[in-house]
Amino acid sequence: DVKVTQSSRYLVKRTGEKVFLECVQDMDHENMFWYRQDPGLGLRLIYFSYDVKMKEKGDIPEGYSVSREKKERFSLILESASTNQTSMYLCASGTLSRGEIQYNEQFFGPGTRLTVL
Amino acid sequence: AQSVTQLGSHVSVSEGALVLLRCNYSSSVPPYLFWYVQYPNQGLQLLLKYTSAATLVKGINGFEAEFKKSETSFHLTKPSAHMSDAAEYFCAVTPSGGYQKVTFGTGTKLQVIP
Repeated sequence: DVKVTQSSRYLVKRTGEKVFLECVQDMDHENMFWYRQDPGLGLRLIYFSYDVKMKEKGDIPEGYSVSREKKERFSLILESASTNQTSMYLCASGTLSRGEIQYNEQFFGPGTRLTVL
Repeated sequence: AQSVTQLGSHVSVSEGALVLLRCNYSSSVPPYLFWYVQYPNQGLQLLLKYTSAATLVKGINGFEAEFKKSETSFHLTKPSAHMSDAAEYFCAVTPSGGYQKVTFGTGTKLQVIP
């Protein structure tokens, strides 16, 4: 089974703090993604990466950055946390075609619920 | 460009009744379509996917969806709701052919009434 793990399930930070959210996948997937999930807005893509050290902006990259130094790990960084970044953050991984995993199917971690006070 | 519209942010059904969750998409090229389910305090899990083979797709837990090109729809159905089906369901679309961004709908919360 594909497994995507996220470093924390719940996180509380203060405004202005630098926040790191970590995601690790164990299936050698090329692609990794960070989404935020807000009620009524569904999932919105923040950043994605299709290879080590490669990254591309998603729909809402402002206030965020990412790092992918190793294939299995994709980090989301909030440079200076703000209250409007209080949200559920979901990491996902996927691959274009490898065995049965194809067609942009994504596998999700359990999420990190971040509260910024 | 691609988009997904899920009609109804909340749907309630009685246990044993038909479940119908609606999804309409737009895509400038032939799409791949997905339904994901999210149980409380969990990540998303793939329920089923359409990838240009059979238009009627069967997924896990008795769910199925039919791709209708003429209606640009991919509605999710289950003949008989179970209490364990209570969750949030997301429809998603991506263009076929090579890696492309996946676009998710805003989700539909399904409540099952005993």
